[in-house]
Amino acid sequence: DGGITQSPKYLFRKEGQNVTLSCEQNLNHDAMYWYRQDPGQGLRLIYYSQIVNDFQKGDIAEGYSVSREKKESFPLTVTSAQKNPTAFYLCASSKMDTNEKLFFGSGTQLSVL
Amino acid sequence: GENVEQHPSTLSVQEGDSAVIKCTYSDSASNYFPWYKQELGKRPQLIIDIRSNVGEKKDQRIAVTLNKTAKHFSLHITETQPEDSAVYFCAASMNTGGFKTIFGAGTRLFVKA
Repeated sequence: DGGITQSPKYLFRKEGQNVTLSCEQNLNHDAMYWYRQDPGQGLRLIYYSQIVNDFQKGDIAEGYSVSREKKESFPLTVTSAQKNPTAFYLCASSKMDTNEKLFFGSGTQLSVL
Repeated sequence: GENVEQHPSTLSVQEGDSAVIKCTYSDSASNYFPWYKQELGKRPQLIIDIRSNVGEKKDQRIAVTLNKTAKHFSLHITETQPEDSAVYFCAASMNTGGFKTIFGAGTRLFVKA
């Protein structure tokens, strides 16, 4: 379980509310990623970051925002603009030297009240 | 952008039989093809990967093949065991100024004892 930590494990969002999912890694990885997992749809890329203070949109960035102020941390905010936020959210990290495998966190299940 | 198609979505085999999962990708710039296994309630974990300069790779009961011309790659599991039951994801990754990994929709494998 060591290396990349997500919190909380479960999160509930009310209508119109922004919520933030935490992701921390101690693997000294430069790159970090956020994926959304829906049943039967695999993992879809929301945002990714290769370096501190820089990040790029993935395929489904609308309604989400991120920051990368520290190498170890890549929090994801699910804004009120995301109309269907219920999903399992996975954070991942990887080395940047070469194209390398992803190390995943244990995920956060977000549900709407 | 890159698109990864994965088939079948569900696969049921008898213990001891082989299982084959197939994926296709769209962007010839993809150069790294990992496979992840996700057991129920757990995070995805890498089981095998292959780079674009290699046609085949084997690790005990698991093998992956890559056909760059046809843009498809496959996972082969031999002598399946009940503990192989899980969801398997293929992925394609490329360098876009950073490494972006796109996943297939997943295959749920059931191994019947």
